[in-house]
This record gives sequence, C-alpha cells and structure tokens, in this order.
Amino acid sequence: SSELTQDPAVSVALGQTVRITCQGDSLRNYYASWYQQKPGQAPVVVICGKNYRPSGIPDRFSGSSSGNTASLTITGAQAEDEADYYCNSRDSSGNLWVFGGGTKLTVL
Amino acid sequence: QVQLVESGGGMVQPGGSLRLSCAASGFAFGSYAMHWVRQAPGKGLEWVAVISYDASDKKDADSVKGRFIISRDNSKNTLYLQMNSLRADDSALYYCARDLYIGVAAVDVFDHWGQGALVTVSS
Repeated sequence: SSELTQDPAVSVALGQTVRITCQGDSLRNYYASWYQQKPGQAPVVVICGKNYRPSGIPDRFSGSSSGNTASLTITGAQAEDEADYYCNSRDSSGNLWVFGGGTKLTVL
Repeated sequence: QVQLVESGGGMVQPGGSLRLSCAASGFAFGSYAMHWVRQAPGKGLEWVAVISYDASDKKDADSVKGRFIISRDNSKNTLYLQMNSLRADDSALYYCARDLYIGVAAVDVFDHWGQGALVTVSS
C-alpha cells in the first residue's frame, strides 16, 4: 500500500480551477513532486520543491503544502490537462521514495 | 538534451531473470543519482530502486528486495537493473529516471524519464 494517498479521480469544467491533493506523514518533512502522465507517455514533472515549475510547464500549475497534505492546483484547466497526476516524495524514513496512487483528472 | 533509453525488456517465465539497461546521454551521468520506477498495466507508478551518483549507496523497495539489483557503469553512461526470481506481479513497464536534488531549493525530483522497457512475466 502507498504511503501517499490521492483521490482516484477528479473532474473539472473547462476553464475552472481544480485542486488535486496528496496526503502522507512524510509530507510533514518533505515537499511533494507532481507528475503528469498522459496515455502511452512517460511521466513529466509539473511541480517540485516548494512551488517550482520546470521550464515549459504553464503557469496555471502551482503547488502548495500544509501539514501532511500537498496540493497541485490548476487554475483555468485546459482540455490538454486531462491526464493522470501522481505525487511523490521520500518516505517517512527519508531513505526510500514513494508515489501516490494517482488521480485521474477529467476536464469536462 | 537529456535522453534516457531503456532496453532489455521482454517476456520471461516465472522464476527467470532479466537485465534492463538505461543508456543516458546529454548530461553528466556520473553526477546524478538514478532511479528505476515501474508501472503495471493500467496501474500507478511504483518506485523500485535508487543508486547514488557513484554507486556507493543503493536502496530498493520491499517488493523487490533480495531479487532485484541496481547498478551503474559511469564509464558507459549506463544504468542497470538485474531482475531475478521474477514473478507475475513484476510484469510492468520499467522506467529509468534521473534524480535532481537541489537542497537549498528543497527540490528532490525525478526530472527526466525514459520511455520505458516492458517486462512480461508469464508461463
């Protein structure tokens, strides 16, 4: 079982804002990274660290953290944002890594 | 640009062995820790193993402990995963990924991924 918990599915209307959350004890000590995965493609990092967006990632993606919960927010969701989103961080020991179970985002 | 290309996947019988390779290019391979991550068909991502930049430190997930061995050859810019005693539930797409760690920025992320190598364990 994963030490990071995500809602299996979330939906958002086109152009609206959606928040995808990730819960786990290790998030009290480590920031989550967020990955977007589209069908048949490798994951791509969209947010890491406190709230860092790699080059090429639209600024509608942002990250935040509070206590044991990390959040990925998409402000003004676009059709191309429909994908699976995974969080990951080190585990509670700090020695291993874990992924959340993933959230399937549907843009309506 | 950074490129990671996995190879060595295929079909193997339960109890068999397979070695995956990940050829790296476009960056100083010997300066980065590297990971293996797998994804069973229709399932989520599962972290498998990590190796430090100089191979002095290795960690792996409980699900593969004692069966899988991560290694690297910095002279060949190549990462490996030796998989032994394979089981049906090891069937997955195996990705190699580069670890980017920037302590002062609290960044610890898998910043580049290969396209994966498919492993199928079946009789």
